[in-house]
Amino acid sequence: NAGVTQTPKFRVLKTGQSMTLLCAQDMNHEYMYWYRQDPGMGLRLIHYSVGEGTTAKGEVPDGYNVSRLKKQNFLLGLESAAPSQTSVYFCASSYPAGEQYFGPGTRLTVT
Amino acid sequence: KNQVEQSPQSLIILEGKNCTLQCNYTVSPFSNLRWYKQDTGRGPVSLTIMTFSENTKSNGRYTATLDADTKQSSLHITASQLSDSASYICVVSVSSASKIIFGSGTRLSIRP
Repeated sequence: NAGVTQTPKFRVLKTGQSMTLLCAQDMNHEYMYWYRQDPGMGLRLIHYSVGEGTTAKGEVPDGYNVSRLKKQNFLLGLESAAPSQTSVYFCASSYPAGEQYFGPGTRLTVT
Repeated sequence: KNQVEQSPQSLIILEGKNCTLQCNYTVSPFSNLRWYKQDTGRGPVSLTIMTFSENTKSNGRYTATLDADTKQSSLHITASQLSDSASYICVVSVSSASKIIFGSGTRLSIRP
């Protein structure tokens, strides 16, 4: 099993550009999550999904959109990137109330 | 307000020594507490999970304790190894749908 994979691993964007981060999991988990991690701060939840076709806002959803068209994939979109969105983005998946398994992260820089 | 505070922020110890990391939380209602290890450039990996009724759990050289009355947890690492150099994150779950609070982590460095 590959577990949780994320693409791309690194990306540099200019302010105003858009992009989509892809998360895939092969563990048949119902729940999937997108977090961002900034220096000196804990992981903060952006959006999450409790099942195919459903999404919900987390702690810091502004500026991001998500979609869960297939159970195994969870996409995070930035419509108009801003320097404040420079961060490391982690995707995770889990069974309900279960341990979260994290992907390797995507390092995004917005200039 | 639901919060998870970890101390110290960073710690440097010599290889072979023991250390203890602290986690205090104000999360309510409490469901469970996990300790994660995050290597540089990698995603976090779960070390232990503890529920309300458990006060100690071990995973090899890692031992976690939980005092649900004082809302404190600790992670003790015995006979540290260079591979223990990482960030250790305390994560507390609220007894409601999908609410999880992450601490900001303790950065542990093991020196040879």
